[in-house]
Amino acid sequence: GAVVSQHPSRVICKSGTSVKIECRSLDFQATTMFWYRQFPKQSLMLMATSNEGSKATYEQGVEKDKFLINHASLTLSTLTVTSAHPEDSSFYICSVRPLMNTEAFFGQGTRLTVV
Amino acid sequence: EDQVTQSPEALRLQEGESSSLNCSYTVSGLRGLFWYRQDPGKGPEFLFTLYSAGEEKEKERLKATLTKKESFLHITAPKPEDSATYLCAVQAGTTGFQKLVFGTGTRLLVSP
Repeated sequence: GAVVSQHPSRVICKSGTSVKIECRSLDFQATTMFWYRQFPKQSLMLMATSNEGSKATYEQGVEKDKFLINHASLTLSTLTVTSAHPEDSSFYICSVRPLMNTEAFFGQGTRLTVV
Repeated sequence: EDQVTQSPEALRLQEGESSSLNCSYTVSGLRGLFWYRQDPGKGPEFLFTLYSAGEEKEKERLKATLTKKESFLHITAPKPEDSATYLCAVQAGTTGFQKLVFGTGTRLLVSP
């Protein structure tokens, strides 16, 4: 399967600051990447679809000005949580899908804690 | 609205005690059903993809099956290292990269 590298694995930031999370597709060029959020004991919820060279598509209820997504190359997508607040504390995971209608492969996830 | 329900929420087994996890789904036009394993603090690890009713896939002690309304993940003679949360996801729709809808998972604990 595809190899996805996500960095950092853990980050603690102060309320009001911004945090950037990187997601790299290591073994194939991904025109589309996906960002999920997972709260404790809850399912993965898709936040946005990242498209190389164009604007990301956000799911309903996800603030695009708060969660900035940049997909500048075929192997790298970044998620920036701006003006983070404690309620943004969660597990953020990116994924890629080599082909449509096939399985997704996930990064290791980033545990964000906002204090 | 597409929905995925997994049961039980948690399952405790003795080593060697076989069991099944259930994933019930409601989608308009299933394009694929996916099983993942997730260890604490890690991203999901892909296990199986099923596309049509009657399809079965096997890997070591795990076997996934699919009907028109649900999927089962059978675990035969589990070992403690099988302890994890097992997630089910479905994809509906016919065009483009349709999103995956996940269930909340079954937390499996296998005791030695």
